[in-house]
Amino acid sequence: DAGVIQSPRHEVTEMGQEVTLRCKPISGHDYLFWYRQTMMRGLELLIYFNNNVPIDDSGMPEDRFSAKMPNASFSTLKIQPSEPRDSAVYFCASTRGLGSDTQYFGPGTRLTVL
Amino acid sequence: DQQVKQNSPSLSVQEGRISILNCDYTNSMFDYFLWYKKYPAEGPTFLISISSIKDKNEDGRFTVFLNKSAKHLSLHIVPSQPGDSAVYFCAASNDYKLSFGAGTTVTVRA
Repeated sequence: DAGVIQSPRHEVTEMGQEVTLRCKPISGHDYLFWYRQTMMRGLELLIYFNNNVPIDDSGMPEDRFSAKMPNASFSTLKIQPSEPRDSAVYFCASTRGLGSDTQYFGPGTRLTVL
Repeated sequence: DQQVKQNSPSLSVQEGRISILNCDYTNSMFDYFLWYKKYPAEGPTFLISISSIKDKNEDGRFTVFLNKSAKHLSLHIVPSQPGDSAVYFCAASNDYKLSFGAGTTVTVRA
C-alpha cells in the first residue's frame, strides 16, 4: 500500500508568488494533517481535517495560508503571497482515527522562498 | 508554549550499547504517546507508541516507558545499531492532535 504522497518534493519560488503544496493521504484514513518544520519552531501542526472537513486551523500562521480538502484522497496547502520566512519543510500526515492516533507522514516538501 | 520537551538535543552511543532518550510533557490531557524516527530528507516514521493506561510497551529492540505521575517517558533502544542513527521525536496526542518535542539526534558509533 502506498504511503502518504506529497508533491512537489522541492519548491523554489520568489517572494510574492503563490505556492501550492499537494498531498494524497493513505486510502481509508479519515484524518489529514499539515505540519511545518523549521529550525526555530520544530514540527508544528498547521491544520487538520476529519472526513474532508477542517477541524482545527489554529496553527495556520496567517491569512496568507489556506488549506483545502476537496475529497478524501487530495488536499492542498496554499501560500499567497509567499514570503522568505515561509521557507521550511512542509509535511502532510494521515491517520485512520477510530482510536488509532498513529499518524503516517509523507516525505515532505522543502519550500524555499527567495 | 512547548508542551512536549526533549531536553537532550543529541546523544552519542557505541554500537551494541543501550540508547536512552527522554521526554517530558506538561499537559495531563495527553492520552497517547509516540516516538518517531527521522532520517534526513525523509518524513518522520512511526516507531513505537504507548497508551496512557500502560507504563511499558516493547517492540523488539525498542521499549517505551511511561511515568504518568512524573509526566515523563523514555525510549530504550538495545542493542543500538548504526542504522539507528537518526533524529528521534517524542510526540503526545490529545484528540488526534500531536504535539512534538524538538527531537534528539542519535549517533551510533561503530
